[in-house]
Amino acid sequence: DAKTTQPNSMESNEEEPVHLPCNHSTISGTDYIHWYRQLPSQGPEYVIHGLTSNVNNRMASLAIAEDRKSSTLILHRATLRDAAVYYCILRISNFGNEKLTFGTGTRLTIIP
Amino acid sequence: DVKVTQSSRYLVKRTGEKVFLECVQDMDHENMFWYRQDPGLGLRLIYFSYDVKMKEKGDIPEGYSVSREKKERFSLILESASTNQTSMYLCASSSETSGRVETQYFGPGTRLLVL
Repeated sequence: DAKTTQPNSMESNEEEPVHLPCNHSTISGTDYIHWYRQLPSQGPEYVIHGLTSNVNNRMASLAIAEDRKSSTLILHRATLRDAAVYYCILRISNFGNEKLTFGTGTRLTIIP
Repeated sequence: DVKVTQSSRYLVKRTGEKVFLECVQDMDHENMFWYRQDPGLGLRLIYFSYDVKMKEKGDIPEGYSVSREKKERFSLILESASTNQTSMYLCASSSETSGRVETQYFGPGTRLLVL
C-alpha cells in the first residue's frame, strides 16, 4: 500500500492561513488523496479529497502537486475550533467498503 | 446529517469479561467498520461488514468478533477481555457505491479500560 508522510505537529496563529503538507511519493494512478481530521474527544471527520486537480469546499482547499507525489491541505483562516489531528490518506476508488488506513497524522495547534 | 452512535463513551471492564460494543447508524449505509485507536499507532481496522450477516477481517481481528444482524447495527465483541485491549474503539459507516469514493462517517468513540 502506498504510504503518506506528515509532520508530527504544527502550530499556527488564529485567523491566519495554515498549510498542512503530506508526502506520498509512491502514490499510484488510481489513488485518491483524502483528508480527515479528528477533533479532541471525537471520531475522525471527512475534510476533503481529490485525485489530480485542486479542490475547494467550505472547510478547506486541497492543492495537489503536478506529479501527485505531495499535497497540501489549506485552511484559509484558522480558528480555535480547527485545532485537531489531521490525517492524509490514500484511497483506491474502486469499492465503497474499502478501509481507511490512518497514519499518526499532524497535530495542529492554534495559538490565540 | 449522518449519525453514527456508540452505546457508551466510557467503559471499565475486568480481565476475562465478555464485552459488547454497539454501533448504530441512521443513514441506511451498507458498510460498517470497527477500528481501534492507540497512541502512536493511529487507527487500525479490526473488522468490517458490507452487508447484513457479512463480515470481513481487518488488520487486527485477533481477540475480537463481530455481529451484524440488522443493517443499522454492528456489534464488536471481546470474548474474553484482556488488558492489551484497553483502547479507544471507533465505529464508522459508509454507503456502497462501486467505483466512486465514499466518505466514512465515524461515531464519537468508546474508551474501554480493561483492568
